[in-house]
Amino acid sequence: ELKVEQNPLFLSMQEGKNYTIYCNYSTTSDRLYWYRQDPGKSLESLFVLLSNGAVKQEGRLMASLDTKARLSTLHITAAVHDLSATYFCAVDTLNRDDKIIFGKGTRLHILP
Amino acid sequence: GAVVSQHPSRVICKSGTSVKIECRSLDFQATTMFWYRQFPKQSLMLMATSNEGSKATYEQGVEKDKFLINHASLTLSTLTVTSAHPEDSSFYICSARGLVGSHEQYFGPGTRLTVT
Repeated sequence: ELKVEQNPLFLSMQEGKNYTIYCNYSTTSDRLYWYRQDPGKSLESLFVLLSNGAVKQEGRLMASLDTKARLSTLHITAAVHDLSATYFCAVDTLNRDDKIIFGKGTRLHILP
Repeated sequence: GAVVSQHPSRVICKSGTSVKIECRSLDFQATTMFWYRQFPKQSLMLMATSNEGSKATYEQGVEKDKFLINHASLTLSTLTVTSAHPEDSSFYICSARGLVGSHEQYFGPGTRLTVT
């Protein structure tokens, strides 16, 4: 059974600082997704990582995937208050059912 | 492209009544749709997977007779919460997959259900 673990689950940081959110998963997969969720809202797709070594960047966020280590990271550079949200990683089971399994999410609070 | 809508966005109902939530893919045909439930400050929990024209596949612990899912067309799936109870109050989110060559799921805006 595929398990997805994120850490930290809660992160409070100052504006301007850098930090990394980690996503570990338990079985083979080469499809990993990062989503953002604002309070009371649905999910916003941030990144889709489809191969080992994939790296994608959008603004102050950068995501990477190491399928051998079964690890993805979401790196935040020079955080700003607008990035405060909950971030989820999700991993594709690669089964015919096409399910993805979500991590518990990281609640990011950036202090102005 | 790849827009998924849900209706209603919010609904309040009384215990014992049934509520239907619609999920539509607006600009693509969704071969597979997923229904999730999310409690406050928790992650998304997959309830069921539905493929057009066939019965939904429910996750372990989800009552199929309570949460009726119909995927009648390639653009519409419905979730009916039957005989709703206060513990069914939650945020229900659907997603759709179907774009050729895409592995992504596209999420709807969610439906906030409150059962009084």
